[in-house]
Amino acid sequence: NAGVTQTPKFRILKIGQSMTLQCTQDMNHNYMYWYRQDPGMGLKLIYYSVGAGITDKGEVPNGYNVSRSTTEDFPLRLELAAPSQTSVYFCASSRDSRWYFGPGTRLTVT
Amino acid sequence: AQTVTQSQPEMSVQEAETVTLSCTYDTSESDYYLFWYKQPPSRQMILVIRQEAYKQQNATENRFSVNFQKAAKSFSLKISDSQLGDAAMYFCAYRSRTDYGQNFVFGPGTRLSVLP
Repeated sequence: NAGVTQTPKFRILKIGQSMTLQCTQDMNHNYMYWYRQDPGMGLKLIYYSVGAGITDKGEVPNGYNVSRSTTEDFPLRLELAAPSQTSVYFCASSRDSRWYFGPGTRLTVT
Repeated sequence: AQTVTQSQPEMSVQEAETVTLSCTYDTSESDYYLFWYKQPPSRQMILVIRQEAYKQQNATENRFSVNFQKAAKSFSLKISDSQLGDAAMYFCAYRSRTDYGQNFVFGPGTRLSVLP
């Protein structure tokens, strides 16, 4: 199993640009999550999904969108990027209360 | 809403010694999970140990053990025989057992340095 994979690893965006962060897991987990980690802080939940076709907002959803068309994939879309979205983004999946995190995507918006 | 507090932004320990990282949390729920995650410079989040609140016995994983005090809402991590590879950020995290997805709360983290 590759576990949870994320692409890209790094990205620099200009203000107002859009992009999609990809996340894929091969463990057949129903639950998937997107978190952001700001410098010196813990993780904050952006969106989560309990299965294909079902998504819901977390603590900090503004400026983001997600979709879950398959069990494996859970992309995070940034529309009109802002400097406040500069962060490290982690995708995760879970089963039986065990979380598996991807390696993260470092995003800088300038 | 649940909160998780880690009052030690930074800690250091001598190689082969023992160190304890503190974590307190606030919740009105009785059934939940608590976790310690390690984040090395590679940024990968690695599960260190997990505790289920309904279990009185403290969880252990090799050199890692916890002191879970449910009434005091305290969940400290003890690392024995510290190794250079233990140097990382450590995050304490809380998850509701019944509210899927929404209530997974992380603390701000403690940066652990291991001195040779």
